[in-house]
Amino acid sequence: DVKVTQSSRYLVKRTGEKVFLECVQDMDHENMFWYRQDPGLGLRLIYFSYDVKMKEKGDIPEGYSVSREKKERFSLILESASTNQTSMYLCASLKSSGKRTDTQYFGPGTRLTVL
Amino acid sequence: QKEVEQNSGPLSVPEGAIASLNCTYSDRGSQSFFWYRQYSGKSPELIMFIYSNGDKEDGRFTAQLNKASQYVSLLIRDSQPSDSATYLCAVQGAGNNRKLIWGLGTSLAVNP
Repeated sequence: DVKVTQSSRYLVKRTGEKVFLECVQDMDHENMFWYRQDPGLGLRLIYFSYDVKMKEKGDIPEGYSVSREKKERFSLILESASTNQTSMYLCASLKSSGKRTDTQYFGPGTRLTVL
Repeated sequence: QKEVEQNSGPLSVPEGAIASLNCTYSDRGSQSFFWYRQYSGKSPELIMFIYSNGDKEDGRFTAQLNKASQYVSLLIRDSQPSDSATYLCAVQGAGNNRKLIWGLGTSLAVNP
């Protein structure tokens, strides 16, 4: 079974703090994703990475950066947290086998509150 | 703008009934279609995928795809209270098979 883990289930930070969210997958997947999920707005892609040190902006990258130094680990960084970044953050991973059935698997999520 | 649309619900059905969840998509070149279930406060989990026109059955779940009408549905037979969740439809486009386009989800309540 694919296992995707995230560093924290709940996190409370203050405005202006630098925040690190970490995601680790154990299935040697090439692709990893960071989403945020808000009521009424659904899942929105922040960034994704298709290989080590490679990244691509998603739909809402502003205020975020990412790092992928090792294949199994994908970090999301909030350089200066703001209250509008309070959200559920979800990490996902995907194997690129080229099949139409390649599936994204999610971690448990991190509920971030910025005060 | 590629879009995936779902009725937000809530869809309420009695225990034992068939729940029918619908999803339409705008990109005619879309290749694969996924249904995820998400319980409140939890992350999405895959129920099933479909990529060929017609029906695909897995236990109590049946996915139906009609590419001509750009429509995919999920039927849940013999609905149980444990099926109460939000169901997310996700569509994989033709050009980039890494990213998914997500619907906002349909909330399902199965009443005992």
